[in-house]
Order: sequence, then C-alpha cells, then structure tokens
Amino acid sequence: GNSVTQMEGPVTLSEEAFLTINCTYTATGYPSLFWYVQYPGEGLQLLLKATKADDKGSNKGFEATYRKETTSFHLEKGSVQVSDSAVYFCALKGQGGSEKLVFGKGMKLTVNP
Amino acid sequence: SAVISQKPSRDICQRGTSLTIQCQVDSQVTMMFWYRQQPGQSLTLIATANQGSEATYESGFVIDKFPISRPNLTFSTLTVSNMSPEDSSIYLCSVIPISGNTIYFGEGSWLTVV
Repeated sequence: GNSVTQMEGPVTLSEEAFLTINCTYTATGYPSLFWYVQYPGEGLQLLLKATKADDKGSNKGFEATYRKETTSFHLEKGSVQVSDSAVYFCALKGQGGSEKLVFGKGMKLTVNP
Repeated sequence: SAVISQKPSRDICQRGTSLTIQCQVDSQVTMMFWYRQQPGQSLTLIATANQGSEATYESGFVIDKFPISRPNLTFSTLTVSNMSPEDSSIYLCSVIPISGNTIYFGEGSWLTVV
C-alpha cells in the first residue's frame, strides 16, 4: 500500500537557519503530495502541495519539489522564524479512486530566537 | 475553500461514556473523513463518511466503537463510544469541497478520557 516516511524530530534550530525536512514516499502511479503544518494548540493546515512530477509547491517561504525519480518531496525554507515552530506532516493522496490521505509521522520543529 | 466547524473543540470525558463530535462545513463537499491523532502521533484515518449510507471504516476501526452519520452534504457526526483513556486523542474532520480537490481539516476536537 501507499506509505510516507519522513524525517522524525524533534529538531531545534536558531532563527534564520536553513531548514530541510526529508520526506519520501511509496505509491503506485502518480500520487499527489502535501505538506501540512500544525501550530501549537491548533488544527492541521495545508502548507503546500504538488500534484505532478517536477511541480514545486510554495507558501510562506517554504518550498517542496515533487521528485518522481527519487520518490521524494523534501520541505525547505531558507531562513526560519520563531513563528515557524510547529509540527510538520508530509502526506500523499493516491492516484485515482481513494481520496484519503496517508500521513508521515510528523516532525516537531522548534525555532529559538 | 471550505470553513469547517467542529464541536466540541475540547472535552474531558468519563470512562465508559460516549461523546458525539459534530462537523459542519460552510459549503457542500463531496467527501468527508474522520481522522484520529493520538498524543505525539501522526494522523490515522478512521473512516470515510458516506452520505445516506454506512461509513467505510479503515482496518482496526469498527462501527460499534465509532458510529458515524452523514445526513447531507455539509454535516457529519462521529461518536466515540464506551470511552477509555486510550481514546484520548484529537479527532479531526476532513473534507473535499465540490468546487475543488484540496483536502481541508477542521481544527479538531481534543478529547481527554479520565
């Protein structure tokens, strides 16, 4: 079946540091890929998505590129802020048929001033 | 987009009781899902709520424990029955609007069973 493997934390960075959160997936065909973010005490929010190979999703300074050849969708940000402290989830939706999401385990990021 | 309202947002429940969580969307949606997020864990799909018919449950989840209703295109309920401390989780409603294919989540219902 479909699965997502993502870098587990927790991770602590200083403000303005570079962030990479690795995410790889296993799926048949061409799934859609997502990054969701969960801020402390809040629900899940869509951060960015990509629906086909080589697409780049971007939002709030975060980027991720859908790499079919490496089955990856790594999340990056050039300069993190304290307000980026949250839990980040990589997820996929299989091609055709089922609309349900499969999530990675999540990674908690803390950014210190 | 879709604005999702979940009630209750938080609750503390006694062991052995049942609680019903409501999910109301501000627009019609094609699909509605219920997820569970146990403390420190990722999200796990409980079931797909089907309008006018029985929900489709994932492996490890059963209707007797998690009865679900979906009477129309904008509303669904999830009941957590005969609760135990292991049911302490965030329960999230998720939808796909008729107008698009992005999946949206509610803010979750944070349940603690004592």
